[in-house]
Amino acid sequence: SQQGEEDPQALSIQEGENATMNCSYKTSINNLQWYRQNSGRGLVHLILIRSNEREKHSGRLRVTLDTSKKSSSLLITASRAADTASYFCATEWKSSGDKLTFGTGTRLAVRP
Amino acid sequence: SAVISQKPSRDICQRGTSLTIQCQVDSQVTMMFWYRQQPGQSLTLIATANQGSEATYESGFVIDKFPISRPNLTFSTLTVSNLSPEDSSIYLCSVGRRGLQETQYFGPGTRLLVL
Repeated sequence: SQQGEEDPQALSIQEGENATMNCSYKTSINNLQWYRQNSGRGLVHLILIRSNEREKHSGRLRVTLDTSKKSSSLLITASRAADTASYFCATEWKSSGDKLTFGTGTRLAVRP
Repeated sequence: SAVISQKPSRDICQRGTSLTIQCQVDSQVTMMFWYRQQPGQSLTLIATANQGSEATYESGFVIDKFPISRPNLTFSTLTVSNLSPEDSSIYLCSVGRRGLQETQYFGPGTRLLVL
């Protein structure tokens, strides 16, 4: 399977703390994207990082990409209860056209 | 960005029947995709819906079970045929533009329960 792996599978933190999620993948990619899903609903796009980029920021989100290690991390700073959700990384492989392969996901719970 | 709607949002079906899910986009898009998310799992791509031609299916998914239509650049349907309890999942459509390495936007999903 080409599916990426994410760790941890589940993460519980206190409001105000930072949350870090990691994603590893297996093949060369064009880009890597992070999505959030609340309670089994639709996915919300968070950040897209291209293979020639190493770091991107969006508000309280920071994403890094290390293509030599085939890994990425998502950092959420100063977490809020509303950040409680499942987070998925998705990779667009160089050979896949525009198709995305999703990671296994991290369930984040932020305690108020 | 694109605004995507799906109908129905949820349904409960009897085994052996079929369910057709509609995906409507507010703008013309090149690529439309259908995903399945089984309970507690990640998303798995079912197929790419090609406008004016047959869908392209991923390994493990066949046209007889998941027929797809794409009559124009803003609309697609996915039918899940001959339902069994194992088909209970969330089905999501997504859209993107070919070759541009852009964000894929997802619909709200259709939650299917098969009894």
